[in-house]
Amino acid sequence: GDSVTQMEGPVTLSEEAFLTINCTYTATGYPSLFWYVQYPGEGLQLLLKATKADDKGSNKGFEATYRKETTSFHLEKGSVQVSDSAVYFCALSPTGGNYQLIWGAGTKLIIKP
Amino acid sequence: EAQVTQNPRYLITVTGKKLTVTCSQNMNHEYMSWYRQDPGLGLRQIYYSMNVEVTDKGDVPEGYKVSRKEKRNFPLILESPSPNQTSLYFCASRKSDRGDGELFFGEGSRLTVL
Repeated sequence: GDSVTQMEGPVTLSEEAFLTINCTYTATGYPSLFWYVQYPGEGLQLLLKATKADDKGSNKGFEATYRKETTSFHLEKGSVQVSDSAVYFCALSPTGGNYQLIWGAGTKLIIKP
Repeated sequence: EAQVTQNPRYLITVTGKKLTVTCSQNMNHEYMSWYRQDPGLGLRQIYYSMNVEVTDKGDVPEGYKVSRKEKRNFPLILESPSPNQTSLYFCASRKSDRGDGELFFGEGSRLTVL
């Protein structure tokens, strides 16, 4: 069945460092791909998404490119801030079917000043 | 303000005492869903609803019930809570049943069952 695999955390970086959080998926067809972010004590919110191959989603300095050939949707940011500390979830919406999201396990990001 | 509201935010209860976690959205969304979040397990879907009077089981429905009598409300019912239902619960809604739309989440309800 369809699945999403994220790199395990926590990921600890210093402020202004470059960030990559890996996400790979297994799915048939062309699923939609998402990154959601959960700040401490809050619910999840959509960070960015891509709905077709080679699309790049971007928001708040974060980017992710839908790579069909490598079945990946890695999250990147050029210079992280302490306020980026959160848990990041990669998710996919399968093609066809009942459109229920399939979630990765989440990656906790800690940014130190 | 567009939002999903859950209540209570925190609850400590005892085994077997029925409880309901309410969820309400003010965005006229068709789709609503309940998740639980546990350390190391990520988000797991409990139940979802494509529209009023239509509900379906998610991945972990055992021990839970839901109802969708009105579009805005989607309560989660634990008829006889057990300690393994101690968790952080999230309600979410989406404008349509299409999977590429944005999910809007409530702030979460932390439940402890003793």
